[in-house]
Amino acid sequence: AQSVTQLGSHVSVSEGALVLLRCNYSSSVPPYLFWYVQYPNQGLQLLLKYTSAATLVKGINGFEAEFKKSETSFHLTKPSAHMSDAAEYFCAVRGAQKLVFGQGTRLTINP
Amino acid sequence: EADIYQTPRYLVIGTGKKITLECSQTMGHDKMYWYQQDPGMELHLIHYSYGVNSTEKGDLSSESTVSRIRTEHFPLTLESARPSHTSQYLCASSELEGAWTGELFFGEGSRLTVL
Repeated sequence: AQSVTQLGSHVSVSEGALVLLRCNYSSSVPPYLFWYVQYPNQGLQLLLKYTSAATLVKGINGFEAEFKKSETSFHLTKPSAHMSDAAEYFCAVRGAQKLVFGQGTRLTINP
Repeated sequence: EADIYQTPRYLVIGTGKKITLECSQTMGHDKMYWYQQDPGMELHLIHYSYGVNSTEKGDLSSESTVSRIRTEHFPLTLESARPSHTSQYLCASSELEGAWTGELFFGEGSRLTVL
């Protein structure tokens, strides 16, 4: 069965600092991996996805993620945080008939 | 911009009331889903559908029921709401299995509070 684990339920960074949100996956087949973002009082929006092409995936709003098979990781990064990045971020892996989500990481940006 | 809509966005009701959360999508997607989301927790799949007249229970047991009479419409019903049903309910849709990369399109959610 597929699963993901997000390390850290809450991450706080200063505006302009590097954002790093960690996700490790478990999958018995080559995984399809996703990062979704949820802004307050909104649904989830796809940030980026890995579907077995390039290991470095670029998404919206300056985010990117790197698939590392040897580390079973798919960490999300952004070089310079902006106040508008404050949100909940979910890592997910494609399972049978559904997406399996992690617990989420709440990102806070300090001015 | 996602073309999937949920109503109501917020609902506060008393115990024992019957409620229906509406979800509609205009993308022609065959697959639709209901997820339940509690603060600080992962999203739990409670129902999904492959198409008209198809409904399946998800991983998390739920007292709610769903129906799929039209492709674009996937309502969720609670016959008798209880405080334990207080949560956010997210509806989503996706393309057919054969073309499915796993990407879901989400509505904005319905936040239910049962007093």
